[in-house]
Amino acid sequence: QVQLQESGPGLVKPSETLFLTCTVSGGSVSSSSYYWGWIRQPPGKGLECIGFIYYDGSTHYNPSLKSRVTISVDTSENQFSLRLNSVTAADTAVYYCARDDRGFDSWGQGALVTVSS
Amino acid sequence: EIVLTQSPATLSLSPGERATLSCRASQSVSSYLAWYQQRPGQAPRLLIYDASDRATGIPARFSGSGSGTDFTLTISSLEPEDFALYYCQQHSDWPRYTFGQGTRLEIK
Repeated sequence: QVQLQESGPGLVKPSETLFLTCTVSGGSVSSSSYYWGWIRQPPGKGLECIGFIYYDGSTHYNPSLKSRVTISVDTSENQFSLRLNSVTAADTAVYYCARDDRGFDSWGQGALVTVSS
Repeated sequence: EIVLTQSPATLSLSPGERATLSCRASQSVSSYLAWYQQRPGQAPRLLIYDASDRATGIPARFSGSGSGTDFTLTISSLEPEDFALYYCQQHSDWPRYTFGQGTRLEIK
């Protein structure tokens, strides 16, 4: 059974860059069967898709975040990563990584990232 | 962007009762709709994909129906662990997936 685990700093200063990594076990980011995605959830609010990456490195981003987001994959480490530039307090959220298979069928436990000075 | 509107915002029921949750899309998503359950402090869990297919390990009391713009999640007989938040999500408009705002299912 595939498992995903987010890791990264829990506190980021305004205007700086948020960086999170998702480590996949029990499955491979090199699989051509799935996309791998990032989703976020501000405290007490709903869910927002940030973007996706495929094993070949092709990416697709939410248009509202596209100018600030980069998602990359490291097949040798079986990981994929999220970079979000120029963060503000509005980017404070729990960030989830997930596998997309006609719906997000596997999720990490989530990483709370707070943007504050 | 496809907007998903869930109703009601909150549903108050008792264990053993039947729950019916609705999700309406601003344009057709065919059958590309998923449902998730989220308990406090946990990640969402996929319940239903493609409008009516149960995900692996999901009890048979959960069922989904609908196509086009109107969808329903039904829980036939509520168990105590079913009281949680429920979200719908369209996976039709790739890659601009969107979620509904959620329905809170609470104990009456």
